[in-house]
Amino acid sequence: NAGVTQTPKFRILKIGQSMTLQCTQDMNHNYMYWYRQDPGMGLKLIYYSVGAGITDKGEVPNGYNVSRSTTEDFPLRLELAAPSQTSVYFCASSYSSGQGLGDTQYFGPGTRLTVL
Amino acid sequence: AQSVAQPEDQVNVAEGNPLTVKCTYSVSGNPYLFWYVQYPNRGLQFLLKYITGDNLVKGSYGFEAEFNKSQTSFHLKKPSALVSDSALYFCAVRDWDNNNDMRFGAGTRLTVKP
Repeated sequence: NAGVTQTPKFRILKIGQSMTLQCTQDMNHNYMYWYRQDPGMGLKLIYYSVGAGITDKGEVPNGYNVSRSTTEDFPLRLELAAPSQTSVYFCASSYSSGQGLGDTQYFGPGTRLTVL
Repeated sequence: AQSVAQPEDQVNVAEGNPLTVKCTYSVSGNPYLFWYVQYPNRGLQFLLKYITGDNLVKGSYGFEAEFNKSQTSFHLKKPSALVSDSALYFCAVRDWDNNNDMRFGAGTRLTVKP
């Protein structure tokens, strides 16, 4: 199993550009998540999905969009990049048979994004 | 909403000494508590979690954590630190009332010196 994979590893964007961060998991997990990690701030949840076709907002969703057309993939879209979106982005997945409360999340290696 | 505090940005210990990384939490209901570790340029890796039951939880790499409801704490401990334990440690909490939102602390950088 590759686990959770993310592409690209690094990206530099200009203000106003758009891009999609890719995330794929091969563990057949139903839950998937996107976080951003800012220095000294821990991780903040952007969006999550409890299954294909279902997505919901997390703590900091503004400026981002997601889709979940398959169990494996959960891409994160930035439509109009802003300097405030400079961060490290992590995708994670977990398996839940219930409400997902005690699930262990498995993280990808991250994407470092800089917006200039 | 739930929240987590890690009061120490940095913890330094000598190899072979016991280590403690502190975490306190705030939730409206019952908490689900987690510890994750992050090595340089890597994603977070799960260490251990408290869901219910025994207050002392044992996890990977010899780490353990004690859930203390009265003090709303979940400190991470290890009896004998290794240089390879040096990393960034995150405490996280989920609340029964807001079950899809996990809140992370800001992280504590542990440095173990030989």
